[in-house]
Amino acid sequence: GESVGLHLPTLSVQEGDNSIINCAYSNSASDYFIWYKQESGKGPQFIIDIRSNMDKRQGQRVTVLLNKTVKHLSLQIAATQPGDSAVYFCAENIGGNTPLVFGKGTRLSVIA
Amino acid sequence: GAGVSQSPRYKVAKRGQDVALRCDPISGHVSLFWYQQALGQGPEFLTYFQNEAQLDKSGLPSDRFFAERPEGSVSTLKIQRTQQEDSAVYLCASSPGREYTNYGYTFGSGTRLTVV
Repeated sequence: GESVGLHLPTLSVQEGDNSIINCAYSNSASDYFIWYKQESGKGPQFIIDIRSNMDKRQGQRVTVLLNKTVKHLSLQIAATQPGDSAVYFCAENIGGNTPLVFGKGTRLSVIA
Repeated sequence: GAGVSQSPRYKVAKRGQDVALRCDPISGHVSLFWYQQALGQGPEFLTYFQNEAQLDKSGLPSDRFFAERPEGSVSTLKIQRTQQEDSAVYLCASSPGREYTNYGYTFGSGTRLTVV
């Protein structure tokens, strides 16, 4: 289940289960979204992206869903593995010539 | 190189000291970004270079922060008269395109700055 840690919400899942990480983005004009994975001591690593003209995109073991009506983005990870343990950030491009804006992140903890 | 390289990995500075953080982007990448990541937070944008031109410095928190990329490759982020609130991980990212977000950025592992 989810709990609020010192700074980051944490999602704990059993190995092999599916994980769903949610993100509420800030600006209805945002047209490009990316999910990043950040392991301890490393920089964010690109996982998957989606543009606002789509509502679903699939990668290898990951799916991103976009609901523009409620400004909600989710990342689904199938058959979660211990190596998926990390902090996950959604990032949005708030239209125009502007840099990516990152959300606050969710810590995924996989229980073996 | 194969990825974005940042140095040093860790830096401890006494309050008031000047520091310089280095970023070696992926060879040939046009765009270079600096982000600041406080503990438990998402990265926050500092500044953006397209080749040697600094096109956006709207995220720099004060005039103590200065960045340069004189030859359009290596970049340095300099912080003068460091304060405790400057303690954070400083991330550099590069991208092959000229647009801000046409491609996902490739991030380095960051420099963790601790001001004591």
